[in-house]
Amino acid sequence: GENVEQHPSTLSVQEGDSAVIKCTYSDSASNYFPWYKQELGKGPQLIIDIRSNVGEKKDQRIAVTLNKTAKHFSLHITETQPEDSAVYFCAAPPGDSWGKLQFGAGTQVVVTP
Amino acid sequence: NAGVTQTPKFQVLKTGQSMTLQCAQDMNHNSMYWYRQDPGMGLRLIYYSASEGTTDKGEVPNGYNVSRLNKREFSLRLESAAPSQTSVYFCASSEAHAGVTEAFFGQGTRLTVV
Repeated sequence: GENVEQHPSTLSVQEGDSAVIKCTYSDSASNYFPWYKQELGKGPQLIIDIRSNVGEKKDQRIAVTLNKTAKHFSLHITETQPEDSAVYFCAAPPGDSWGKLQFGAGTQVVVTP
Repeated sequence: NAGVTQTPKFQVLKTGQSMTLQCAQDMNHNSMYWYRQDPGMGLRLIYYSASEGTTDKGEVPNGYNVSRLNKREFSLRLESAAPSQTSVYFCASSEAHAGVTEAFFGQGTRLTVV
């Protein structure tokens, strides 16, 4: 099955600085890598995803990079704002069952003004 | 458009009691999921239903049963609650296609077993 590890578990950044969260996965057949943001008291929500045929994808202040050889992918948030404070999860589906997402343990991001 | 609706939002149970968590989605998705979220452990899949009439065990199915009542509804039942089942439970739905699975989550049910 798929095993997803996520680091760091907590991340404190000054407003305006960048934040980077890293994940590794074990199943070389995995080909889809989403990132979810969970605000306090709410369910996770998809913010960006990347497929294995792409190395990088950007959407305004967030970007995701993928290194299939090393089996790791990262979330980059630039010019952080207080509303970026949340828990972020990476995920990957097993190659043989892509409907079931395996989630990382999560990263608590705190952006201080 | 409500998305994924879970009931109840909060519940306290005594050890040994039973209860059913309800979930409904209005996005016409084929796949539905139940996850539990515990501190430091992320989201762990309990059960999964790829389509109406089918269910499959996830990573942590022990102590739970599910019913895919129809395409919209997927319920999770705790037959005899244990303190280890204290958690936040999330229902999700998705339309997995071409290797892409965007899951939409409900607001969660915070369950405490005493």
